Amino acid sequence: KAGVTQTPRYLIKTRGQQVTLSCSPISGHRSVSWYQQTPGQGLQFLFEYFSETQRNKGNFPGRFSGRQFSNSRSEMNVSTLELGDSALYLCASSVLRGQGDDEQYFGPGTRLTVT
Amino acid sequence: GIQVEQSPPDLILQEGANSTLRCNFSDSVNNLQWFHQNPWGQLINLFYIPSGTKQNGRLSATTVATERYSLLYISSSQTTDSGVYFCAVAPLSNDYKLSFGAGTTVTVRA
Repeated sequence: KAGVTQTPRYLIKTRGQQVTLSCSPISGHRSVSWYQQTPGQGLQFLFEYFSETQRNKGNFPGRFSGRQFSNSRSEMNVSTLELGDSALYLCASSVLRGQGDDEQYFGPGTRLTVT
Repeated sequence: GIQVEQSPPDLILQEGANSTLRCNFSDSVNNLQWFHQNPWGQLINLFYIPSGTKQNGRLSATTVATERYSLLYISSSQTTDSGVYFCAVAPLSNDYKLSFGAGTTVTVRA
């Protein structure tokens, strides 16, 4: 089975621009979560989607948004980019049941640099 | 939210040595995972272990859920074991998210 895939892998943007990141979960997985990793804050939860519904959202400003499509693929969008948004963005998917105790599998990440 | 503490923050080993990494968490959990982050940033699943003991080659893990801690053992370490090891948990409240510790950076010297 193919793993979680994320595109693009690397991205350089300018302050004030917006960016869209994409994640395709493991086939059959219906839950997709997004995390941000920075040297200062570590790994932080952004949001989680299941069956196109956001079930939980982390403590991030409204500039961070996401969605999930009917095929379980997910996108996240960051508008009005700031220098502090430079980070590794990781997507994870979990098995069919989509319960909190499911094992999560991570993609390779998208490294975003804001200049 | 649930707090996750990992120790030690840094570990330097000579090749062939054994080591123990610890993860303490502040509340009851229904998910606990150990990951190894490779140099390119991907989190590699090591163990899904909300309770009990598991072994996979030179690695093993034990979670004592009633005492709220988990241990990851690395035996006969190799240079390829270098990297950052993360513990992540999800609470019983089932909020669909993992909370991560700050990680343990392991350096194995030849």
